[in-house]
Amino acid sequence: NAGVMQNPRHLVRRRGQEARLRCSPMKGHSHVYWYRQLPEEGLKFMVYLQKENIIDESGMPKERFSAEFPKEGPSILRIQQVVRGDSAAYFCASSPPLAQGRSYEQYFGPGTRLTVT
Amino acid sequence: AQTVTQSQPEMSVQEAETVTLSCTYDTSESDYYLFWYKQPPSRQMILVIRQEAYKQQNATENRFSVNFQKAAKSFSLKISDSQLGDAAMYFCAYRSAFSGGSNYKLTFGKGTLLTVNP
Repeated sequence: NAGVMQNPRHLVRRRGQEARLRCSPMKGHSHVYWYRQLPEEGLKFMVYLQKENIIDESGMPKERFSAEFPKEGPSILRIQQVVRGDSAAYFCASSPPLAQGRSYEQYFGPGTRLTVT
Repeated sequence: AQTVTQSQPEMSVQEAETVTLSCTYDTSESDYYLFWYKQPPSRQMILVIRQEAYKQQNATENRFSVNFQKAAKSFSLKISDSQLGDAAMYFCAYRSAFSGGSNYKLTFGKGTLLTVNP
């Protein structure tokens, strides 16, 4: 059973470009979460999505950041017009449907390291 | 809002010895979940152990166990018979047991870097 997949693992963008980060949840998981980890910091919640719905985006910056989880395909975190401060590791996590046991557990992907030059 | 505090930025332990990592949290909720995650140099976040707040019994997973003190809002991780592969950053995390709003997210501490000396 494959774990959470994220790609690319490393992404380099120049200031002003767009960054697209992809996340495929574990098989059978319908909930996706995105977190950001700045250097020397813990993970900070950004957004929580279910298929075709954004449930909670309270941790997402209001501008330049967006996320989606379409009916088919991976979840996408999109950062437009990147700035140096966006350099961080971005982690995706997934959890099973609420009806299943331990739906409160989140399983993480390996992360995408974004570097803005 | 809930907060999670890990007061030990770094800890070290000798191989085969026991080490305890501290975590305290602040919440007004009565039901919640607590987790310890391990982040080795590969940066992959690995779930080590979880505790449901309504359970009085401390969780145990092989060499890993917790000391959950609900009244004190304390959730420490004990690693027994430490191995070189245990060297990593360890994060304590909180999640509400209630649904709705922002309750689904994990709130993390800043982490404790554990070094295991041979």
